[in-house]
Amino acid sequence: DTGVSQNPRHKITKRGQNVTFRCDPISEHNRLYWYRQTLGQGPEFLTYFQNEAQLEKSRLLSDRFSAERPKGSFSTLEIQRTEQGDSAMYLCASSFLGGDTGELFFGEGSRLTVL
Amino acid sequence: AQSVTQLGSHVSVSEGALVLLRCNYSSSVPPYLFWYVQYPNQGLQLLLKYTTGATLVKGINGFEAEFKKSETSFHLTKPSAHMSDAAEYFCAVSDESADKVIFGPGTSLSVIP
Repeated sequence: DTGVSQNPRHKITKRGQNVTFRCDPISEHNRLYWYRQTLGQGPEFLTYFQNEAQLEKSRLLSDRFSAERPKGSFSTLEIQRTEQGDSAMYLCASSFLGGDTGELFFGEGSRLTVL
Repeated sequence: AQSVTQLGSHVSVSEGALVLLRCNYSSSVPPYLFWYVQYPNQGLQLLLKYTTGATLVKGINGFEAEFKKSETSFHLTKPSAHMSDAAEYFCAVSDESADKVIFGPGTSLSVIP
């Protein structure tokens, strides 16, 4: 399967713990995006990378959140000191700059439940 | 800033009936507009998009949408609903750079047999 892969698919944690999600984009894609989706809402933009550079971060991304894409391939999203309000589906998407404009390829998401 | 509104969080249609899902956008620059679909337990996938040129765009599974600049709308239609069309539909907007795609809240489509 050469689609976008996200792991783990579901994470249950206790408030105050740290969690990390991983995203493996489509191999030739140079752009990678993180979105957050809560029940009944559309995906909310969090951040995006072009190659290894993080070019934009949403105000939704508090200092407890950090994202990296160290070699311009896979990316990680870490949430420190989780809060119940962090419970959501975290979506990763990738695209190719210079390809079909704006088409994002999404993974199936990583669902976070904070108890 | 760009934004998207979708009128009706839930739409029900009978099988074989017309599907109409509404989308209005706000953008200070010429918009790129998209419809994505999310089937249960699957990732979002692109249905269709408008960038430039012809304002009526056709997508997969018989869906189409028309960009109307004067109405700032990009409504999604399908002449005849099928049971397999039941899903969540998201309208989205970006600018030419596509740095950031902004999604609407979504419309859940139910198809009644």
